[in-house]
Amino acid sequence: DAGITQSPRHKVTETGTPVTLRCHQTENHRYMYWYRQDPGHGLRLIHYSYGVKDTDKGEVSDGYSVSRSKTEDFLLTLESATSSQTSVYFCAITERGSGEDTQYFGPGTRLTVL
Amino acid sequence: AQSVTQLDSQVPVFEEAPVELRCNYSSSVSVYLFWYVQYPNQGLQLLLKYLSGSTLVESINGFEAEFNKSQTSFHLRKPSVHISDTAEYFCAVNRAGGTSYGKLTFGQGTILTVHP
Repeated sequence: DAGITQSPRHKVTETGTPVTLRCHQTENHRYMYWYRQDPGHGLRLIHYSYGVKDTDKGEVSDGYSVSRSKTEDFLLTLESATSSQTSVYFCAITERGSGEDTQYFGPGTRLTVL
Repeated sequence: AQSVTQLDSQVPVFEEAPVELRCNYSSSVSVYLFWYVQYPNQGLQLLLKYLSGSTLVESINGFEAEFNKSQTSFHLRKPSVHISDTAEYFCAVNRAGGTSYGKLTFGQGTILTVHP
């Protein structure tokens, strides 16, 4: 357990509405990530952050934006949700100390877009 | 860029039988390798990892994986599985060191089902 929480854990929304998912960590990790999990695709990186206000795109960033105004919170926003964004979303952090690069994951958010 | 292929989407096996979940990767640079496990309706848990040193790595619950650089493989094995090992297993890779920012590339996942 790397002190990661995600909220909400479940959400149902309608096409075209904005949605924000929150990832919160308590251990001052610099690196944070958002992935989505879909059957047959494993996990795919949406966006990541390497510091406060430092973010970059991942493999499947279209339709998503992120913000990180403080170390502990990394927000993922779907500006206008579509049915193709129905998925399970995982936040992760990397412990980068002592030369190790190991990611730990939050419990996930199940998002359904109707 | 890296890529990961898990060769089997589903592996059914009987309890106490051995199992191997196959993972191959592609990368032009040195990598770190990971296996994660996801039990039903839960998040991902780190099972084991290869960063450097001995090519055979073990987990606390009896799984092991061997890094084979020449075959670009990191197969996961267990000599005798239990019902409780039923889960989905993900192989993942990231670029070793440098400015990779620790980004992981995952395989598609292998669902291991252990039957009594």
